[in-house]
Amino acid sequence: EVQLVESGGGVVQPGGSLRLSCAASGFTFDDYAMHWVRQAPGKGLEWVSLISGDGGSTYYADSVKGRFTISRDNSKNSLYLQMNSLRTEDTALYYCATDGGVIVPTYYFDYWGQGTLVTVSS
Amino acid sequence: SYVLTQPPSVSVAPGQTARITCGGNNIGSKSVHWYQQKPGQAPVLVVYDDSDRPSGIPERFSGSNSGNTATLTISRVEAGDEADYYCQVWDSSSDHPGVFGGGTKLTVL
Repeated sequence: EVQLVESGGGVVQPGGSLRLSCAASGFTFDDYAMHWVRQAPGKGLEWVSLISGDGGSTYYADSVKGRFTISRDNSKNSLYLQMNSLRTEDTALYYCATDGGVIVPTYYFDYWGQGTLVTVSS
Repeated sequence: SYVLTQPPSVSVAPGQTARITCGGNNIGSKSVHWYQQKPGQAPVLVVYDDSDRPSGIPERFSGSNSGNTATLTISRVEAGDEADYYCQVWDSSSDHPGVFGGGTKLTVL
């Protein structure tokens, strides 16, 4: 059974930093690209970032480019999101999700975790 | 960046057919994926690549995509189908490739 468990969320002041983690199990982690998707309270879904299975390729939404860094440790079956220079508009529930494709990304989100809440507030 | 437009809400009686649209410029040339999200829960993929269903998703859920509109069709709607539905594409030519529609609230009357 595929399981994705996010952690690391919390309350942080504007300009601060947080590092989110996603622990994966139940599948061959390094065969799959991974995504972060977020959802502001009461709002819709917003794709944030993608990393390839080997970690060699990364992509970011315009809204987080230059501030967020996605990474992964395949030896630990873990995905990360380093978030710097946080803004109030980054307040959201952050989900990690598997890409739908084995080895070759298909760019849809197959399995999702339950999310970790990030609140940016002074 | 690429824009996907969904109606904010759709209402349907139980047993009837719900159609949720997703508009985008020449969206028929892209692969469209659909997600269902119930309150307090993570999204669930219900249709991928325009019209394919993941295992465990009922045949009542189907999709189509042509021209400037993609459609998620839910046949024989049940009370348990009440949820928010989001379409999504990947625009590889864009600096912001991952795109969601704004979401549609399906209400079962």
